[in-house]
Amino acid sequence: NAGVIQTPRHKVTGKGQEATLWCEPISGHSAVFWYRQTIVQGLEFLTYFRNQAPIDDSGMPKERFSAQMPNQSHSTLKIQSTQPQDSAVYLCASSFWGGAYEQYFGPGTRLTVL
Amino acid sequence: QQKVQQSPESLSVPEGGMASLNCTSSDRNFQYFWWYRQHSGEGPKALMSIFSDGDKKEGRFTAHLNKASLHVSLHIRDSQPSDSALYFCAASEPTGYQNFYFGKGTSLTVIP
Repeated sequence: NAGVIQTPRHKVTGKGQEATLWCEPISGHSAVFWYRQTIVQGLEFLTYFRNQAPIDDSGMPKERFSAQMPNQSHSTLKIQSTQPQDSAVYLCASSFWGGAYEQYFGPGTRLTVL
Repeated sequence: QQKVQQSPESLSVPEGGMASLNCTSSDRNFQYFWWYRQHSGEGPKALMSIFSDGDKKEGRFTAHLNKASLHVSLHIRDSQPSDSALYFCAASEPTGYQNFYFGKGTSLTVIP
C-alpha cells in the first residue's frame, strides 16, 4: 500500500496561470478530501467526494477553484488564474466512509504563485 | 468561529518530560475525536482516536475525553526529540456528515 499519492510535490506558477493538482487515494477508500494548509489559516477544508460524487464544496473559493473525481483512482484540484494568496500546501486525504474512520493524508503539494 | 479550538499554540518541553495538549469543541454533535501529528514536509498522520469518555492509552500517548465539557486532551510522557511536530485535534459527527473539523494545531518542540 503506497498510501495517498499526490503529484506534483512542488509547483510554481506565475500570477494568472492555471494549476492542476493530482491525488490518487488509497484503493478501496470511498471518501476523498481536499484541504489547504497555510501558517496563518491552518488546515482548511475545501471539498470532499463520496464514491466519486461531490458531497460538500463549502470550503472552496467559488470563482477560481474546482475539483473533480472522474474515477475512483484519482481526483484533481484545479485553480484557474492563480493569485499569490493561493500559495499554500494542498493536502489530499482518503478514508472509508464515516466519521469513525481515519483520514489518511498524502504528503501534499506545495503551490507557490509568484 | 472555529468549531475546534486548540491550546497552547506552541509548547516546549525537555526531553523525557511530559507534554500536555488541549482541545475544546463548540458543537455537541461531535462524537469522534482524533489526534493527528504532522512532521515538517509531511502530511498529517493519525496518532489516535477517542470516542468514549475517559482515557485511552497507546504507548507513551494518552488521550482523555470529556464529552460533557467537550474537552479532549493529549498527554505525551517521556517526550522524545522525534515528537517535535505540529499536533492537530479533529472532531467529526457520528452519522451523515463525513467531514473532520480540525483545530489550528499546537507546535511541540522537545528540547534535547
